[in-house]
Amino acid sequence: AQSVSQHNHHVILSEAASLELGCNYSYGGTVNLFWYVQYPGQHLQLLLKYFSGDPLVKGIKGFEAEFIKSKFSFNLRKPSVQWSDTAEYFCAVKPSGGYQKVTFGIGTKLQVIP
Amino acid sequence: DTGVSQDPRHKITKRGQNVTFRCDPISEHNRLYWYRQTLGQGPEFLTYFQNEAQLEKSRLLSDRFSAERPKGSFSTLEIQRTEQGDSAMYLCASSPGQDGYEQYFGPGTRLTVT
Repeated sequence: AQSVSQHNHHVILSEAASLELGCNYSYGGTVNLFWYVQYPGQHLQLLLKYFSGDPLVKGIKGFEAEFIKSKFSFNLRKPSVQWSDTAEYFCAVKPSGGYQKVTFGIGTKLQVIP
Repeated sequence: DTGVSQDPRHKITKRGQNVTFRCDPISEHNRLYWYRQTLGQGPEFLTYFQNEAQLEKSRLLSDRFSAERPKGSFSTLEIQRTEQGDSAMYLCASSPGQDGYEQYFGPGTRLTVT
């Protein structure tokens, strides 16, 4: 069974600082990878996803993530955060091909200070 | 509205009572999922439907839990004889039947068992 590990549970940054949130997964085969975001009072929404092809994927609001297969990692990055990025971020993994359940990480709470 | 909807948004019940939650997926999606999320955790998979067929159930889903999707459209999740440990956010998500698509989440139903 697959698993996901998010290294930072709570991150506090000042506006304009750069962001990198770590995500490692455990699974022996090909995977699909996701970052979801939950803004305060809102439901989970997709930030970006990797299914195949270019391992550097770009998402909404200037976020990007890089899939490094050899490291089983899918870290989320943003060069300059804004106060509106304050939210909880979840990394998720799904074995690729057909139906397979999605496994989520524990989440990272990001607080951006103006 | 083209999103996933859930009803009710909040439910407070006394221990021992039965509760039922409803999820309406995006209309053209034939895959439907239920998750449970507790404070400080990511969503945990409970069960999955492809059309009306329940294809997978987590070991988290005890005998007190039952889910249905009778006509392959909306789904219900029932918890019988609720316990305080059932207090959580119950999330529903849907996705198209083909691969290559992420799951779209609803706003969730927050259950509090007193």
